[in-house]
Amino acid sequence: NAGVTQTPKFRILKIGQSMTLQCTQDMNHNYMYWYRQDPGMGLKLIYYSVGAGITDKGEVPNGYNVSRSTTEDFPLRLELAAPSQTSVYFCASRSTRNTEAFFGQGTRLTVV
Amino acid sequence: DQQVKQNSPSLSVQEGRISILNCDYTNSMFDYFLWYKKYPAEGPTFLISISSIKDKNEDGRFTVFLNKSAKHLSLHIVPSQPGDSAVYFCAASAGGGTSYGKLTFGQGTILTVHP
Repeated sequence: NAGVTQTPKFRILKIGQSMTLQCTQDMNHNYMYWYRQDPGMGLKLIYYSVGAGITDKGEVPNGYNVSRSTTEDFPLRLELAAPSQTSVYFCASRSTRNTEAFFGQGTRLTVV
Repeated sequence: DQQVKQNSPSLSVQEGRISILNCDYTNSMFDYFLWYKKYPAEGPTFLISISSIKDKNEDGRFTVFLNKSAKHLSLHIVPSQPGDSAVYFCAASAGGGTSYGKLTFGQGTILTVHP
């Protein structure tokens, strides 16, 4: 059981470039989330989804976009990378019944 | 506005002793609280949780206490082991089913357990 899988694990982007962080889960969870963690800070919610075709903004959505075409996949898109987006990004999923969220291993992104 | 606060950035404990990690919150709508543990280069992993209808929940060496009037919760680890050394995050959610499991995290506390 792979759980939540994120790719890539590391990435360096130049300012203005774009990229997609991939996230897939094999637990058939309806709820999925993207968080970012800055140094010395807690995780902050970027976007979340309660099912295929349904997404909504979290606390810090500016500069990001998401889509949820299938239950398994929840990619996060950065269109114009900025240094402020240097962070570690975590994808998570949860069933509608349980309250425990399962996290991926994270993507460390540096924008230079 | 930091709705969940962990005021101790770090904690150092001797193996076998008790570790107490603290967390304060300001949002009265929070009704479910969780503790996550995080090792370097890994994602957070769920440790233990507590509903606002309880004041204590225990799972093996880990116990979480909730004081709703003080808006304070704590995680006790007894006895502490070197493998417990990690960053511990307190997290909270509000509104039951309508929150869709969205979590608000504290800043984390680095726990170091010395052999």
